Amino acid sequence: EAGVAQSPRYKIIEKRQSVAFWCNPISGHATLYWYQQILGQGPKLLIQFQNNGVVDDSQLPKDRFSAERLKGVDSTLKIQPAKLEDSAVYLCASSLAGSIQGQANYGYTFGSGTRLTVV
Amino acid sequence: QKEVEQNSGPLSVPEGAIASLNCTYSDRGSQSFFWYRQYSGKSPELIMSIYSNGDKEDGRFTAQLNKASQYVSLLIRDSQPSDSATYLCAVRPSGAGSYQLTFGKGTKLSVIP
Repeated sequence: EAGVAQSPRYKIIEKRQSVAFWCNPISGHATLYWYQQILGQGPKLLIQFQNNGVVDDSQLPKDRFSAERLKGVDSTLKIQPAKLEDSAVYLCASSLAGSIQGQANYGYTFGSGTRLTVV
Repeated sequence: QKEVEQNSGPLSVPEGAIASLNCTYSDRGSQSFFWYRQYSGKSPELIMSIYSNGDKEDGRFTAQLNKASQYVSLLIRDSQPSDSATYLCAVRPSGAGSYQLTFGKGTKLSVIP
């Protein structure tokens, strides 16, 4: 099966500019996650979608970050305006997890990520 | 704040030795536990999962879980230079319908030829 697709792979922007990332999950996966990984740290969850609804966005800096998952498939993550501290790799992941019992035991697969550098 | 703690390393072991990676977590109700391997410049790759107390073996990898001590470990036998990577411990916390994973900062492993 095809993996999680992300684009672009790399992006360099100046601070205060805006940027958008795109993710296409594995076909049939109901749950989609966006994680931020700053160099030297583990991934941190930004937002979790179940189909096209938001399950958890408690760690999303909503003053500058937004995300949507229209039609319950593809998702976009946007930053506007970007700050220097937003430099990180943005990882998208998807899983079957949903209302199906037992799915809690599944890990999930990450896409290749988008490396953002804010200068 | 539900936390996952790992020694950041680097952990250096000679080729052929056993590498031991450790992880502790704060949420006593956590359900399932995962180890991801991340090569430099790449995204994390799932290598092991464990849900019950005890050991789980998969090839050269053994995951160990002790829920009473809130401790997870990963043993890599016959370590190879290709095992050199950062190993991330991830925990699925308690909570109905929560499928999120909380990650530690990772332990960098270097296998010396």
